[in-house]
Amino acid sequence: EDQVTQSPEALRLQEGESSSLNCSYTVSGLRGLFWYRQDPGKGPEFLFTLYSAGEEKEKERLKATLTKKESFLHITAPKPEDSATYLCAVRGVTNAGKSTFGDGTTLTVKP
Amino acid sequence: GAVVSQHPSRVICKSGTSVKIECRSLDFQATTMFWYRQFPKKSLMLMATSNEGSKATYEQGVEKDKFLINHASLTLSTLTVTSAHPEDSSFYICSARASTGLLSYNSPLHFGNGTRLTVT
Repeated sequence: EDQVTQSPEALRLQEGESSSLNCSYTVSGLRGLFWYRQDPGKGPEFLFTLYSAGEEKEKERLKATLTKKESFLHITAPKPEDSATYLCAVRGVTNAGKSTFGDGTTLTVKP
Repeated sequence: GAVVSQHPSRVICKSGTSVKIECRSLDFQATTMFWYRQFPKKSLMLMATSNEGSKATYEQGVEKDKFLINHASLTLSTLTVTSAHPEDSSFYICSARASTGLLSYNSPLHFGNGTRLTVT
């Protein structure tokens, strides 16, 4: 069974204070690891897909990296508008195309 | 691109009544859509996979007679909560992959903005 664990559960940063969010996973044959951003009362918004260990993707202040056991979402010099819940999900070859989600990390960036 | 529209965004209903939630893919065709339920401060729980032109596949523990799913076209799936009770109050979210076939297994999900259901 695929599993995803995200840490920390909540993270409070000052504006400009860089940090990282962790996503540890176990999956039988990784098809893809996905990062999403979810604002309160909204559906998740797709950020990145990573397919193989060593891969990195960047978008503005966000950078996602992947190893065989975990993924990190690095946030450089965050701004208050980066405050949201960040969800990690994996999809494996044996799970009929379904995604398994972690519980998310709620990020709060104070001005 | 890859926009999913879901409505209503909020609905309040009385116990015992039924509620229909619509999920549309606006700029792509979705042969498969997914319905999730999300509890406060918790992640997405997959309820069922909706397949165009065929029966939905429900996850273990999800009552198929209570949560009726219809996927009548390549752009529309509906979830009907029948005989709703207060314990059905939750945030329901639909999603779809923009690509089809084997490529879809590597593609991200695109989500609607969710429906907050409150049963009184």
